[in-house]
Amino acid sequence: AQSVTQLGSHVSVSEGALVLLRCNYSSSVPPYLFWYVQYPNQGLQLLLKYTTGATLVKGINGFEAEFKKSETSFHLTKPSAHMSDAAEYFCAVSGGAGGTSYGKLTFGQGTILTVHP
Amino acid sequence: GAVVSQHPSRVICKSGTSVKIECRSLDFQATTMFWYRQFPKQSLMLMATSNEGSKATYEQGVEKDKFLINHASLTLSTLTVTSAHPEDSSFYICSAWGGGAYEQYFGPGTRLTVT
Repeated sequence: AQSVTQLGSHVSVSEGALVLLRCNYSSSVPPYLFWYVQYPNQGLQLLLKYTTGATLVKGINGFEAEFKKSETSFHLTKPSAHMSDAAEYFCAVSGGAGGTSYGKLTFGQGTILTVHP
Repeated sequence: GAVVSQHPSRVICKSGTSVKIECRSLDFQATTMFWYRQFPKQSLMLMATSNEGSKATYEQGVEKDKFLINHASLTLSTLTVTSAHPEDSSFYICSAWGGGAYEQYFGPGTRLTVT
């Protein structure tokens, strides 16, 4: 079984400030981890993913996340927020290749990021 | 990245009628497509997994006779909401997976309103 918890349903930052969105996961198998962004009334866009290898992954738009197995975390960060970053962000987990949960994404509850001028 | 389309983007239907939503992968072959629903201010919930040429696999609690899924080709999957009721009103999103370097590509979603 898999689950994802995103701490904080709303995060507000000032433009230029650090963005930190928290994600903790639970998985009975080695996880694949993802961050997606959703703008109003639109589908999801992949920001970044961790499957295997380097635990610090870089994504689009300056975002990055670090897989910490000991903490079962995959927090999303960006050094300097832009107004265009305002959106809803979802963390997701799936099982790795060969497992029964491979390909099935379980999403967190989402975090709405607000960026103030 | 790859492009996935959904049609229609919005639909309003009367209670008791059926609605079909199409999900197409435009520039790649999708061996697997997934259907999700998203209630307002909530996360995405996986409804079913659809593999080309075989029956869909439904998640626990999802009525397969109500949400009919067909994946007749490697570029098209359809979701039909049969005998729709107001509680079926939701945002339905599909995703497509080509099976290669692991990544699901999401469609833009379909807003269904049942009156």
